[in-house]
Amino acid sequence: NAGVTQTPKFRVLKTGQSMTLLCAQDMNHEYMYWYRQDPGMGLRLIHYSVGEGTTAKGEVPDGYNVSRLKKQNFLLGLESAAPSQTSVYFCASSYLLGQGYNEQFFGPGTRLTVL
Amino acid sequence: AQSVAQPEDQVNVAEGNPLTVKCTYSVSGNPYLFWYVQYPNRGLQFLLKYITGDNLVKGSYGFEAEFNKSQTSFHLKKPSALVSDSALYFCAVSYPGGYQKVTFGTGTKLQVIP
Repeated sequence: NAGVTQTPKFRVLKTGQSMTLLCAQDMNHEYMYWYRQDPGMGLRLIHYSVGEGTTAKGEVPDGYNVSRLKKQNFLLGLESAAPSQTSVYFCASSYLLGQGYNEQFFGPGTRLTVL
Repeated sequence: AQSVAQPEDQVNVAEGNPLTVKCTYSVSGNPYLFWYVQYPNRGLQFLLKYITGDNLVKGSYGFEAEFNKSQTSFHLKKPSALVSDSALYFCAVSYPGGYQKVTFGTGTKLQVIP
């Protein structure tokens, strides 16, 4: 199993450009998440999905859109990139097991620089 | 609203000594608490979690954590630190009905000195 994979690993954009980050998981997990990691701020939730075809806003959703057309994929889009979106982006997935809350499995990250 | 605090940006400990990384939380109702570790240029890896039951939770790589409801703390501990334990550690909290959304702390860098 590959686990959680992210594409691309690195990207440099100019202000105003758009791009899509792809997350894929092969563990049949229901829940998927997009986070950004900035120095001194930990991880902040951008958007999340509790199942195929559903998405919801997290803590910092502005400037981002997401789609979950297939259970295994979760796409994060930046329509018009801004320097404030320079960050490391992590995708994660998790599974539902009874009433327990289960750990999240993280991808390796995408390092995005917006000039 | 839920929150988690890691009061120390960095913890230094000598190899072989016990280590503690501190975490306090705030959540309505019963908390679900997690510890994750991040090595350089990698994603986060799960270490352990507290959902219910025994207050002392054991996890991967010899780590353990103690849930203290009265002090709203969930400190990470290890009896004998290894140089390979040097990494960034994150505490996280969630709650029942939260769709497994977790709130992460800002992280504590652990440096184990040979």
